Amino acid sequence: DIQMTQSPSTLSASVGDRVTISCRASQSISIRTSESTITWLAWYQHKPGKLPNLLIYRASTLDSGVPSRFSGSGSGTEFTLTISSLQPDDFATYYCQQYNSEIGVTFGPGTKVHMK
Amino acid sequence: EVQLVESGGGLVKPGGSLRLSCAASGFIFTQAWMTWVRQAPGKGLEWVGRVKSKIDGGTTDYAASVKGRFTISREDSENMVFLQMNSLIADDTAVYYCATDLGRREDYLEDWGHGVLVTVSS
Repeated sequence: DIQMTQSPSTLSASVGDRVTISCRASQSISIRTSESTITWLAWYQHKPGKLPNLLIYRASTLDSGVPSRFSGSGSGTEFTLTISSLQPDDFATYYCQQYNSEIGVTFGPGTKVHMK
Repeated sequence: EVQLVESGGGLVKPGGSLRLSCAASGFIFTQAWMTWVRQAPGKGLEWVGRVKSKIDGGTTDYAASVKGRFTISREDSENMVFLQMNSLIADDTAVYYCATDLGRREDYLEDWGHGVLVTVSS
């Protein structure tokens, strides 16, 4: 199985801060086709007592209704979730997930973003 | 509105079995891949397994931690997906979520149920 790591594990930040969370896969989760590169990586936000919420899929595609302050980037084995200006509603735990189903699906261990 | 409602959780002794159900509505169930994810107390999310749509072969895949003990099945006529859990151990104690790709044919999860608690303890 592919192993996922995230850094940092916890992050202290203030409203308005630019926040960056890293995610690394133990092997490449990108596939190159004749037309493009597809990367099987998603990001979720999870708050205590709430449902996990899909933010980004295919590494950089924002899910419907997700605020544009969230963005994702990366390919191969290195990925980043960026929140351009942290809002009060953004304090939560963030998980990356690789979903190359040929190899198996795994979540990262999570990054908790809390108030400084 | 998409709804996923899990049921069947509870307290079970080590070595016992439990069957979770997930009732789905608000989307075309026959086209959807259905997934189970769990979260142990104080821990992160763990992918348990998934059943693809029958159109995509209806195949199942499982996490190594549950392979051979857990079985996912679906009943499209009832918009239901099931998780049969056998040979349960303490480490299986978790909230179990039912989730779906809503027919995107990929393993990212668009919608989730509220989860059901499974406690494995003597």
